[in-house]
Amino acid sequence: EPEVTQTPSHQVTQMGQEVILRCVPISNHLYFYWYRQILGQKVEFLVSFYNNEISEKSEIFDDQFSVERPDGSNFTLKIRSTKLEDSAMYFCASLGHYNSPLHFGNGTRLTVT
Amino acid sequence: AQSVTQPDIHITVSEGASLELRCNYSYGATPYLFWYVQSPGQGLQLLLKYFSGDTLVQGIKGFEAEFKRSQSSFNLRKPSVHWSDAAEYFCAVGAEYGGATNKLIFGTGTLLAVQP
Repeated sequence: EPEVTQTPSHQVTQMGQEVILRCVPISNHLYFYWYRQILGQKVEFLVSFYNNEISEKSEIFDDQFSVERPDGSNFTLKIRSTKLEDSAMYFCASLGHYNSPLHFGNGTRLTVT
Repeated sequence: AQSVTQPDIHITVSEGASLELRCNYSYGATPYLFWYVQSPGQGLQLLLKYFSGDTLVQGIKGFEAEFKRSQSSFNLRKPSVHWSDAAEYFCAVGAEYGGATNKLIFGTGTLLAVQP
């Protein structure tokens, strides 16, 4: 079964540094998402992306965050200047068509020191 | 606003015992409901979903869930728990499905421990 692939599985960065989290959604999917899970807390919606633009974003997704689908296969989340509170598991998800469920990747654990 | 409540933070059951994980939602229209499971260090795996139709839905790994509109609930059940079921379980509700916005609202999760 096709999978959503995320790399790296774990990233450690220093506060203030930029990070790029990478995702390869399932190939024929059209809708893409990022979710975040701070340790011990619920999974939270960050942003949805369709037709090469953001369709919705949460209040968490402020100006330090951006998403891009640079080449038709990858879907990236960039955090420009990381803060300690950005430490979390970041999940990418994709959706193929109406009435199909979201497929999640295994996540990237981001640790900001 | 949509919300999901999972009242049990942590549940411990004996292997072979039955299991019910509670989920209550708040949503004005007919919701789309999901249960996901997360094993340690792993991603979110879909167990089952409810979109419409039969209110008792079957999922993978022997799980089922029942949508009860009158109680705004979507409880997850399994008749006989296996040690490999130890994981965290998340209930989620979605709005209009299939559109460009497909935001899921997750509950806080229930951590299931299985005793031998």
